[in-house]
Amino acid sequence: AQSVAQPEDQVNVAEGNPLTVKCTYSVSGNPYLFWYVQYPNRGLQFLLKYITGDNLVKGSYGFEAEFNKSQTSFHLKKPSALVSDSALYFCAVRKGPNQAGTALIFGKGTTLSVSS
Amino acid sequence: DARVTQTPRHKVTEMGQEVTMRCQPILGHNTVFWYRQTMMQGLELLAYFRNRAPLDDSGMPKDRFSAEMPDATLATLKIQPSEPRDSAVYFCASGLGSGGPLGTDTQYFGPGTRLTVL
Repeated sequence: AQSVAQPEDQVNVAEGNPLTVKCTYSVSGNPYLFWYVQYPNRGLQFLLKYITGDNLVKGSYGFEAEFNKSQTSFHLKKPSALVSDSALYFCAVRKGPNQAGTALIFGKGTTLSVSS
Repeated sequence: DARVTQTPRHKVTEMGQEVTMRCQPILGHNTVFWYRQTMMQGLELLAYFRNRAPLDDSGMPKDRFSAEMPDATLATLKIQPSEPRDSAVYFCASGLGSGGPLGTDTQYFGPGTRLTVL
């Protein structure tokens, strides 16, 4: 069964510092991995995805994620955090590995808090 | 700016009452998902449809929940009878799934319906 794990419930970073939000995955077949962000009282917004190709994926708002097959990880990163990045971040994996547009399995979420 | 819309945004009801939540997917999207978010369980998939046909409703309690797509512009999630443990935020999302391995998986979420069952 496909699954993702986000080992940290909360990550605290000072504004201007680099940030990393961790995600590990367990899949059968090729991994199709995603990051979504949720701001308070809002629905989730797509940030980026890894389907195939380069291990470093660039997404919205200056975020990027590094796919590491040997470590089965897909960590979200940003070189310089902003206070406005404070939100709840979800890692996700495609439920049906061989079909696009199938449902996603989401991690528990990591709250990112960026202090000024 | 195309968006997924959900109604109502908030619903407070008493145990045993019927609750209907509605979702209007982005025009042209062929896949609709229902998720439930709680503090304890996080974000759970309840059901999803492609081209109005249900593809997976394994996450949905069948005895009290039902999901339908009467037409391409409306998806409904119904709970009858409702229970306090159903209190959660219910999200609808839509996407354009090709069914092939390399199609898009991006899902566009609505703002959610916050349900409180007393």
